Amino acid sequence: EPEVTQTPSHQVTQMGQEVILRCVPISNHLYFYWYRQILGQKVEFLVSFYNNEISEKSEIFDDQFSVERPDGSNFTLKIRSTKLEDSAMYFCASSERGGVGYTFGSGTRLTVV
Amino acid sequence: GQQVMQIPQYQHVQEGEDFTTYCNSSTTLSNIQWYKQRPGGHPVFLIQLVKSGEVKKQKRLTFQFGEAKKNSSLHITATQTTDVGTYFCAVIYSSASKIIFGSGTRLSIRP
Repeated sequence: EPEVTQTPSHQVTQMGQEVILRCVPISNHLYFYWYRQILGQKVEFLVSFYNNEISEKSEIFDDQFSVERPDGSNFTLKIRSTKLEDSAMYFCASSERGGVGYTFGSGTRLTVV
Repeated sequence: GQQVMQIPQYQHVQEGEDFTTYCNSSTTLSNIQWYKQRPGGHPVFLIQLVKSGEVKKQKRLTFQFGEAKKNSSLHITATQTTDVGTYFCAVIYSSASKIIFGSGTRLSIRP
């Protein structure tokens, strides 16, 4: 069963630092997404990415956040100047096309101290 | 904003009892998806419903999409401890460029 791979599984960072969360989507998938889940809460949409550009972003995804597909396999989420409230589980997901179920990675738990 | 309401927030049942979670929208939906998230895990896609009145089954799980396409339900018959987790409905918006999750129903089970 193809998987979406995320690294690291857990990242601890000091407030104000920059972090990069990495994802390797399923190889034949064309749509990529980042979601976050604050502990015990619902899964929130951050951004979708298709054809090397952002398709849509939520109000959470402000100038502090950016995404990149630096090569043919990786998909990264950069968070600049992290804040305590950025602590959450960040999930990458991919789909073969629009309108179908997503495959989620196992997530990166980000802890900002 | 665009959202779906999901109830109940929590459900605690005896093993072997049935479980149902409901998802409601004020607007007509083009489709609805269901995901399961085990404790400490990630969302796993279960199914997508598209047609009005559609009913789909996966073993002990029955998924329904309302006739008006404004609500959906997931029913589990005779729960087992492996059913523990949070069940989310989710809706595709904006030309399929994002899905929005409901708030989820957390199912716990007494052995």
